[in-house]
Amino acid sequence: QLQLQESGPGLVKPSETLSLTCTVSGASISSDSYFWGWIRQAPGKGLEWIGSIYSTGTTYYNPSLNSRVTISVSTSANQFSLKLSSGTAADTAVYHCGRGIVGAHFDSWGQGALVSVSS
Amino acid sequence: DIQMTQSPSTLSASVGDRVTITCRASQSISSWLAWYQQKPGKAPKLLIYKASNLQSGVPSRFSGSESGTEFTLTISSLQPDDFATYSCHQYYKYPLTFGGGTKVEIK
Repeated sequence: QLQLQESGPGLVKPSETLSLTCTVSGASISSDSYFWGWIRQAPGKGLEWIGSIYSTGTTYYNPSLNSRVTISVSTSANQFSLKLSSGTAADTAVYHCGRGIVGAHFDSWGQGALVSVSS
Repeated sequence: DIQMTQSPSTLSASVGDRVTITCRASQSISSWLAWYQQKPGKAPKLLIYKASNLQSGVPSRFSGSESGTEFTLTISSLQPDDFATYSCHQYYKYPLTFGGGTKVEIK
């Protein structure tokens, strides 16, 4: 059974880099059939797509965050990671990782990790 | 970017009610739309994909439909487990976007 679990610091200081890892179990992160992504939800707001990565290493990022986002994969650990630089209070959110079907929708999500950006 | 306008933002209903949630896309997205159910502290759950396809294991009281750029999620008879937040999601083109969410509350 597929499981995705987010992990990382729950508190980040302003101007520092927010780093999260998603550990995937029950599926290979190297599969050509899927892509992997990050989505966040700020308090009281809707879901916001951050970016996605494919097994080829190709990445797509939300233009609103593009210059600050890096998503990478560790095939040996069956994990993928998010780095969001220059954090501000506006980056305070629950961050979800997800698996998507290539050419289609996200079909599985992690339960999310709350990250607060505060001094 | 494709904007997804979801309505209503909050909906009060009773067990057994028929509930309808609407998402309007700012441009054509063909049928590339999914619906998710969210509960606090839980992973969002896929309900519907490609506008009207029921995800395996999802009760048949959930259904999706489309008319042009307007998409609808219908719960035919609301059950206690259905009180949650529902979001639509277009995957027609990048950047991927979501509706603002609809919270279904107990009346």
